[in-house]
Amino acid sequence: SAVISQKPSRDICQRGTSLTIQCQVDSQVTMMFWYRQQPGQSLTLIATANQGSEATYESGFVIDKFPISRPNLTFSTLTVSNMSPEDSSIYLCSAAGSLHGYTFGSGTRLTVV
Amino acid sequence: AQKITQTQPGMFVQEKEAVTLDCTYDTSDPSYGLFWYKQPSSGEMIFLIYQGSYDQQNATEGRYSLNFQKARKSANLVISASQLGDSAMYFCAMSYSSGSARQLTFGSGTQLTVLP
Repeated sequence: SAVISQKPSRDICQRGTSLTIQCQVDSQVTMMFWYRQQPGQSLTLIATANQGSEATYESGFVIDKFPISRPNLTFSTLTVSNMSPEDSSIYLCSAAGSLHGYTFGSGTRLTVV
Repeated sequence: AQKITQTQPGMFVQEKEAVTLDCTYDTSDPSYGLFWYKQPSSGEMIFLIYQGSYDQQNATEGRYSLNFQKARKSANLVISASQLGDSAMYFCAMSYSSGSARQLTFGSGTQLTVLP
């Protein structure tokens, strides 16, 4: 199954700034997914990113706050814009792998101060 | 709407004993997949086991088995011979069709603690 390298693994950011998270997949994948996991909570899908088209955002998430780039079939970025302490979460990218599995990046633990 | 329910926020098990983590689901999609993931404190999501909606037999992967009861819409994870390293958060998830993509929806998770 695909292996995803995600970075940074963690960051502490000032409120009002932006952070871009990168995910590199070791094979070509059609769809990539971005999730947010708030402290003590489950994973919530932010958006689905298909190469060559605009990302599809879930209810409650908007492109201005979470712009996503998908320039090719092996790479995607998520930017968390104009951050506030409420954005402190783990952010994970994912791709559909072989045999029905979904592979995840190792996660980015974001703290906004 | 698709929904996964995990009713056990926390579970304790003695080392070397078996434990069952509960998961029920709701979907109108006839084709779906059920997954279990382990999330240690490091935050990574580790795939454990998969069950397809049309699979006749329960899935097994080493010490993990999935007790799939389609009529009851349940997909419980059984961990045999628990180890201290099994202590982690466990998420049940379901794949379903949404537009052109198959997405995952997650339950709220069960925090498993293995006692020595």
